[in-house]
Amino acid sequence: DTEVTQTPKHLVMGMTNKKSLKCEQHMGHRAMYWYKQKAKKPPELMFVYSYEKLSINESVPSRFSPECPNSSLLNLHLHALQPEDSALYLCASSKSLRRTASYNEQFFGPGTRLTVL
Amino acid sequence: SQELEQSPQSLIVQEGKNLTINCTSSKTLYGLYWYKQKYGEGLIFLMMLQKGGEEKSHEKITAKLDEKKQQSSLHITASQPSHAGIYLCGAVPRTGNQFYFGTGTSLTVIP
Repeated sequence: DTEVTQTPKHLVMGMTNKKSLKCEQHMGHRAMYWYKQKAKKPPELMFVYSYEKLSINESVPSRFSPECPNSSLLNLHLHALQPEDSALYLCASSKSLRRTASYNEQFFGPGTRLTVL
Repeated sequence: SQELEQSPQSLIVQEGKNLTINCTSSKTLYGLYWYKQKYGEGLIFLMMLQKGGEEKSHEKITAKLDEKKQQSSLHITASQPSHAGIYLCGAVPRTGNQFYFGTGTSLTVIP
């Protein structure tokens, strides 16, 4: 199984809602990532988890709260978002954060298209 | 400022034509990756280059990394409509653990 799955595919939420994005992989990867991608822009790294511990937080606002309950699952909890947070949210995983290129190769999920009204 | 610049920003070619996309870094890289993205979808891994002067090919796509490990090119031979999409280079710098993407190149192939 070389697949990263993300649910839901699409999400529409109001600014007062609380919702969660889910990402799952069963490749035994120990590093998992959240990216945000606006239209016609490259993905921007938000968070990196390594061995279920938060390793990198790219100064993301606290209305985004990541969680890694186990080595296969990564969640992104959303609360009090703004319309400018509307974007494609991509999850990825890699073997680890070891400094060899093969270990850094990331496998991406199809993304969740988020619209904040 | 962007640390990985891609050129051109967009490309429109006739089916069957060859094309090249470039990716230039301001820093020496540890590894360079090429991904393809269909509009609004996830990224598909194409190739990874790690050694200076390395060249890899898969089907009609060839990627090269220069000796200094600061510049890479992606060459598509005899392009097809299925090659259309956004091509992104990504890199791990020699120092630090941060992975980041290039500015992207949008490719349209006209049948």
